[in-house]
Amino acid sequence: AQSVTQLDSQVPVFEEAPVELRCNYSSSVSVYLFWYVQYPNQGLQLLLKYLSGSTLVESINGFEAEFNKSQTSFHLRKPSVHISDTAEYFCAARSGSARQLTFGSGTQLTVLP
Amino acid sequence: DAGVIQSPRHEVTEMGQEVTLRCKPISGHDYLFWYRQTMMRGLELLIYFNNNVPIDDSGMPEDRFSAKMPNASFSTLKIQPSEPRDSAVYFCASSFHQGEAFFGQGTRLTVV
Repeated sequence: AQSVTQLDSQVPVFEEAPVELRCNYSSSVSVYLFWYVQYPNQGLQLLLKYLSGSTLVESINGFEAEFNKSQTSFHLRKPSVHISDTAEYFCAARSGSARQLTFGSGTQLTVLP
Repeated sequence: DAGVIQSPRHEVTEMGQEVTLRCKPISGHDYLFWYRQTMMRGLELLIYFNNNVPIDDSGMPEDRFSAKMPNASFSTLKIQPSEPRDSAVYFCASSFHQGEAFFGQGTRLTVV
């Protein structure tokens, strides 16, 4: 079964600093990867996804993630964060023909002024 | 489309009572998922449906939990009888084929 590991439960960072949220998945022949964001008292919203093709995927609000097959990683990065990026971020994976997502434990990103 | 709609947003009930959570998926989506989120266990898949048929219910914690999808636009998750350890946020999500899952706002259940 697929498993997803988010290595950092909390990441505090100052506004306009760069950030990286780490995600590793268990090896699989074919895997689809996602990052979701959850604001307080809200549902999860898709931030970006890797299904195939280019290993670097970007979101509309400046986040990017790179699929690294050899390291089984899908880290999320942003070169300059804003206060409004404060939220919990979940990495998720889906393997092969499976339809259900397996989620990591989440990383709380707190952007400090 | 209004997205995945869940009701109620908040539910407070007494131990032993029956609780029913409701979900309306996005029109045209053929997969529906029920997840539970707690501080201790994170996001857990409880059950999912494809074309209204339950495919995998291995995540349902025990027989007190049941889920139905009588048609393509409605699903329920029922807990009977409820217990304090069932307190959590329950999310419904839907997707189309291999696309991403879209989540509802969740139902925050508190069992006292």
